[in-house]
Amino acid sequence: DAGITQSPRHKVTETGTPVTLRCHQTENHRYMYWYRQDPGHGLRLIHYSYGVKDTDKGEVSDGYSVSRSKTEDFLLTLESATSSQTSVYFCATKSDQSSGNTIYFGEGSWLTVV
Amino acid sequence: RKEVEQDPGPFNVPEGATVAFNCTYSNSASQSFFWYRQDCRKEPKLLMSVYSSGNEDGRFTAQLNRASQYISLLIRDSKLSDSATYLCVVTSGGSYIPTFGRGTSLIVHP
Repeated sequence: DAGITQSPRHKVTETGTPVTLRCHQTENHRYMYWYRQDPGHGLRLIHYSYGVKDTDKGEVSDGYSVSRSKTEDFLLTLESATSSQTSVYFCATKSDQSSGNTIYFGEGSWLTVV
Repeated sequence: RKEVEQDPGPFNVPEGATVAFNCTYSNSASQSFFWYRQDCRKEPKLLMSVYSSGNEDGRFTAQLNRASQYISLLIRDSKLSDSATYLCVVTSGGSYIPTFGRGTSLIVHP
C-alpha cells in the first residue's frame, strides 16, 4: 500500500468556519487528487495537482481551494464550510511512471458541518 | 451521458454463486482500466487491472471489450467476504485524471 495519510480523520465544524484537510504521501508520486464521496454520486473530483504548485479544478471545485508547496503534501481548504460540504473526503495519488497508472487512496476524512 | 457507467445494484447472491458486473465507458481513447473494491466506510483499493487480453486472479476474471467499450468483472464461487462495492476506473490516453464509475454493490448471503 502507498503511504498516504490524511488528517484529521474525523472533524465536526460549524457552518461558516474554514477547514483544512491534509494529505501526506511518502511515495514521491507526482499526481495528487482530492475527491468527495456522497451517496448517489460516487467519487467526484474536487481538485488535483500535477506537481508542486501546479493545481487545477475538478468537477466540484466551488467552495474549495488547494495548495501543494511540497511533493508530499496536498492541502484542501473549505474556505467557509457549508452543510452541503458534509461528506467523506479521499485523497489519492498516482505515479508518473508509464507503468504506474494505479491510483492509491488515503483512508478518508469524515467531515460534518453543523 | 456519464463517461463511465455501472449498474448500482445491489446484486444479491448466495455463497458459491458466480456473478458478473459490466462497466461501459464513452471515451474511445481510453487506455487504462481497473476494478477497485470499496468496503463500507473504507477507501477504495485496487482489485485488479484490466488488460486487453483479459486477466484472471484466483476467483476473479476481468475482461475488456474495446469494440463495445465495456469492461467486465466475473467473480466465481462468491464468498461472504466479497460483499462490497466494486468501482470501475478508466483513464484516457494522455490524461492523468481517472474517471470513476459510481460503483456496483454486491451482497453475498449465506
